[in-house]
Amino acid sequence: GAGVSQSPSNKVTEKGKDVELRCDPISGHTALYWYRQSLGQGLEFLIYFQGNSAPDKSGLPSDRFSAERTGGSVSTLTIQRTQQEDSAVYLCASSPAMGGFGEKLFFGSGTQLSVL
Amino acid sequence: AQKVTQAQTEISVVEKEDVTLDCVYETRDTTYYLFWYKQPPSGELVFLIRRNSFDEQNEISGRYSWNFQKSTSSFNFTITASQVVDSAVYFCALNNYGQNFVFGPGTRLSVLP
Repeated sequence: GAGVSQSPSNKVTEKGKDVELRCDPISGHTALYWYRQSLGQGLEFLIYFQGNSAPDKSGLPSDRFSAERTGGSVSTLTIQRTQQEDSAVYLCASSPAMGGFGEKLFFGSGTQLSVL
Repeated sequence: AQKVTQAQTEISVVEKEDVTLDCVYETRDTTYYLFWYKQPPSGELVFLIRRNSFDEQNEISGRYSWNFQKSTSSFNFTITASQVVDSAVYFCALNNYGQNFVFGPGTRLSVLP
């Protein structure tokens, strides 16, 4: 597609359930980021994939959060046993640079996650 | 450690006023990039500008201008003759070599008609 695509756009789940959020980056982009944005807040870094390198998982808030990127393209962010504090907009961004440095990020529209 | 500070949480101006959004960053690296992004009410972040650490030239793009000063670790953003469509949250970000992007907390700008 022309831009970064995220699905679903909205997800409502019950506390304790697992959720999967999907990100389709721009074709050919080697870097992929996940960020979380709570209501009225800034962007909290979660995880960063760059080519075939080991991902930078330093931002994942707990072991309930995990992410993978298959074939260097599509990424899935999984949240297990969701909690109410997980409610936020989850943003995905991709970048074309092999080094992941200095290239602008292209953002998707985000997935609004609501945990009841 | 990398850090980006945007001290102004919210700013309100009346249309046609000039407004400056402040950004102060911290890094020990000499090679880095700075960015500004706009997040309109629709939610999707839009790239505005990129500046590398070796280029301190100020830049002007239409009503937008950016002032990069390494001596004060600042990368401020000025909107001249603001318009209602400029209402958004603006984020400053830092990207060090080989590392992820660090975003500031954002400044919510409201331009009133």
